[in-house]
Amino acid sequence: AQSVAQPEDQVNVAEGNPLTVKCTYSVSGNPYLFWYVQYPNRGLQFLLKYITGDNLVKGSYGFEAEFNKSQTSFHLKKPSALVSDSALYFCAVRGRRNNDMRFGAGTRLTVKP
Amino acid sequence: SAVISQKPSRDICQRGTSLTIQCQVDSQVTMMFWYRQQPGQSLTLIATANQGSEATYESGFVIDKFPISRPNLTFSTLTVSNMSPEDSSIYLCSVEVGGVSYNEQFFGPGTRLTVL
Repeated sequence: AQSVAQPEDQVNVAEGNPLTVKCTYSVSGNPYLFWYVQYPNRGLQFLLKYITGDNLVKGSYGFEAEFNKSQTSFHLKKPSALVSDSALYFCAVRGRRNNDMRFGAGTRLTVKP
Repeated sequence: SAVISQKPSRDICQRGTSLTIQCQVDSQVTMMFWYRQQPGQSLTLIATANQGSEATYESGFVIDKFPISRPNLTFSTLTVSNMSPEDSSIYLCSVEVGGVSYNEQFFGPGTRLTVL
């Protein structure tokens, strides 16, 4: 079965600095990989996905993620963080033969002015 | 894409009672999923619900506690039975929609349940 690990419970960055939220995965075969964001008292919002093709995926709000097959990673990045990026971020994986999505534990990103 | 609504959006319930959560989708979908997000934690898949067949439950979840209905391709319900404070969570409905290269998954806004 597929699984996802987000090694950091919390990431703190200063506004304007680059940010990275880490994610590693385990799945049989090639994965579908996703990042979602959850703001307080709101549902999950889709940020970006990797399906196939280019390893660098660009998504909403200036976020991007790089699929690294050798390291089984899919880290989320943004060149310049905003205070409004502060939220809970979830990495998720789905196998190509499975229909269910598995989520990481989540990383709380705090961007300080 | 798919637009998903859930009812109720939140509820406060007494121990020992049951609550049924409704999930409505604006298009016909084959795959529907129910997730639970306990306070401060990630999402955990409860079950997969396909129309016309019994739901498939993940390890740790049983039909007696979380009965699911899937009467048609746009609707599903999840019942949280004989509730205890440990059932206090956000319950999310999710659907899979066919895309060009793969099936995309969308999430409802969630139902925030508090059990006293």
